[in-house]
Amino acid sequence: EAQLVETGGGLIQPGGSLRLSCAASGFTVSSNYMSWVRQAPGKGLEWVSVIYSGESTYYADSVKGRFTISRDNSNNTLYLQMNSLRAEDTAVYYCARSSGSYYFVSWGQGTLVTVSS
Amino acid sequence: DIVMTQSPDSLAVSLGERATINCKSSQSILYSSNNKNYLAWYQQKSGQPPKLLIYWASTRESGVPDRFSGSGSGTDFTLTISSLQAEDVAVYYCQQYYITPVTFGQGTRLEIK
Repeated sequence: EAQLVETGGGLIQPGGSLRLSCAASGFTVSSNYMSWVRQAPGKGLEWVSVIYSGESTYYADSVKGRFTISRDNSNNTLYLQMNSLRAEDTAVYYCARSSGSYYFVSWGQGTLVTVSS
Repeated sequence: DIVMTQSPDSLAVSLGERATINCKSSQSILYSSNNKNYLAWYQQKSGQPPKLLIYWASTRESGVPDRFSGSGSGTDFTLTISSLQAEDVAVYYCQQYYITPVTFGQGTRLEIK
């Protein structure tokens, strides 16, 4: 059974950096589309970024130039490097798996990122 | 970007009754070459991640009870729960995956009347 476990969230000051990790088991990260989706407190879902099986990456306009998605195939882990963090980046960040088409078949439990001074 | 608009924002239905949630996309998400609608539905219970219910607008994910069904085509879609159970209390989201960025509806909160 596919499992995703996110770590790395926490409280960070505006302008700071944070790296989120998503450890996968039960499937191979490099063979799937892997995304980050976030949810601000009490709000809806917002797609953040995707890395395709062929290494192509895409970002929401709201994070482009500040966030970088990557993966470590040897550790079967997905990452999100977040720089120049803003208060509006405060959210629970989920990693999610898509297989083939771009709907999300598996989700992690999420990790909370709070950007505040 | 494709804007997804759900209605209503919240809904209260009696146990055993039918619940209907609507989702409208700002442009067609029907791909003519394969005649598939690039629309998914998710259920999110309090404190939990979303769970995939429906994809391709009407295909039920494995393990999802058959009281959940999806319908619609082009720009207008519906999620129907035929007989509401207590465990169905949640927020429901539609999502288009026709183009990047994928986008979600704002969510519909379903409660028991």
